[in-house]
Amino acid sequence: KAGVTQTPRYLIKTRGQQVTLSCSPISGHRSVSWYQQTPGQGLQFLFEYFSETQRNKGNFPGRFSGRQFSNSRSEMNVSTLELGDSALYLCASSLARRPEETQYFGPGTRLLVL
Amino acid sequence: AQSVTQLDSHVSVSEGTPVLLRCNYSSSYSPSLFWYVQHPNKGLQLLLKYTSAATLVKGINGFEAEFKKSETSFHLTKPSAHMSDAAEYFCVVSVNTGGFKTIFGAGTRLFVKA
Repeated sequence: KAGVTQTPRYLIKTRGQQVTLSCSPISGHRSVSWYQQTPGQGLQFLFEYFSETQRNKGNFPGRFSGRQFSNSRSEMNVSTLELGDSALYLCASSLARRPEETQYFGPGTRLLVL
Repeated sequence: AQSVTQLDSHVSVSEGTPVLLRCNYSSSYSPSLFWYVQHPNKGLQLLLKYTSAATLVKGINGFEAEFKKSETSFHLTKPSAHMSDAAEYFCVVSVNTGGFKTIFGAGTRLFVKA
């Protein structure tokens, strides 16, 4: 079974631009979560989608948004990029929304904002 | 409120010696607990998880962890470190608070000396 895939793997943008990142979950997984990882803040939860609905949101500004499609693929969008948005963005999928479910992570998209 | 504390930001061991990575948690609900490993420029991989079954959990690559409710701890151990174990390790707590909440520890970087 193919793992979680994320595209693109690397991205360079300039301040003020917007960016869209994509995540394809493991086949059959319906829950997709997004995380931001930085050296200073560690891993921070962005949001979670299940059945095309956002179920949970972390403490990030409205510039960060996402969506999930009927095939469970998910995208996240960051508008008006700031230097501090430079990070590794990780997507994780799981079979269901239960605390005991294992999350399977993709390799991440590394975003550099100049 | 839920929280996870990884007591050491860095741990250094010699190859062939035991590994101990410490994790304490706080939760008002019955938690599921996980350890994930992240190798450089890679996504996170599940090592093991506790979901209210056996308190001693065995994972991949010789790692194990013991859930101790009285001490609110979930320390990760391995009898003999290998060079390939050098990575960052994350302790994670997941609970159902009426919503689904996952909290990552700050991470412990493990160094293995030859």
